[in-house]
Amino acid sequence: GENVEQHPSTLSVQEGDSAVIKCTYSDSASNYFPWYKQELGKGPQLIIDIRSNVGEKKDQRIAVTLNKTAKHFSLHITETQPEDSAVYFCAAGDSGGGADGLTFGKGTHLIIQP
Amino acid sequence: NAGVTQTPKFRILKIGQSMTLQCTQDMNHNYMYWYRQDPGMGLKLIYYSVGAGITDKGEVPNGYNVSRSTTEDFPLRLELAAPSQTSVYFCASSYRGGRETQYFGPGTRLLVL
Repeated sequence: GENVEQHPSTLSVQEGDSAVIKCTYSDSASNYFPWYKQELGKGPQLIIDIRSNVGEKKDQRIAVTLNKTAKHFSLHITETQPEDSAVYFCAAGDSGGGADGLTFGKGTHLIIQP
Repeated sequence: NAGVTQTPKFRILKIGQSMTLQCTQDMNHNYMYWYRQDPGMGLKLIYYSVGAGITDKGEVPNGYNVSRSTTEDFPLRLELAAPSQTSVYFCASSYRGGRETQYFGPGTRLLVL
């Protein structure tokens, strides 16, 4: 089955700086890569996703890049703000059916220092 | 449109007790999932369902049971609670399986003592 590795487990950045979280996956059949943000006491919420026919996707301060050859994808947050503090999860899914859904990384606790 | 709702929010169980975690979605999604989240371990899939009447095991199904009698509801049953089942449980749903966004409920925090 799929295995998703996520690094780092904790990331502390100064407010206004950029943050980068990286994930690798093992199954070359995976072609859907979402990123979820989980705030304290809440369930994960999708913030951005990318499919394998695209190398990069951007939504305001958030961007995701995908390298299918190397089997890794990354989340980039620019101009970080206090409300970006949360746990971020990457995931990989198989658009060929994937009835058992997504495989998640273990999460990155992003801390924005004022 | 409430999305995915879960009850209860928090529960304390004694070892050996049973309980059902409730999950309901109003988005007419075919796929539903139960995950458990332990500190530093991400989300692990317990059971999933691709439609009413169809369920299957995920990565960590031992000690749990599910049923899916309607499209909207996907309850998770713990028969004999054990301390190892102390966790936060999330229900999620999606229109299609691994290719689509999953929408998560707010979670149920369970403590087994």
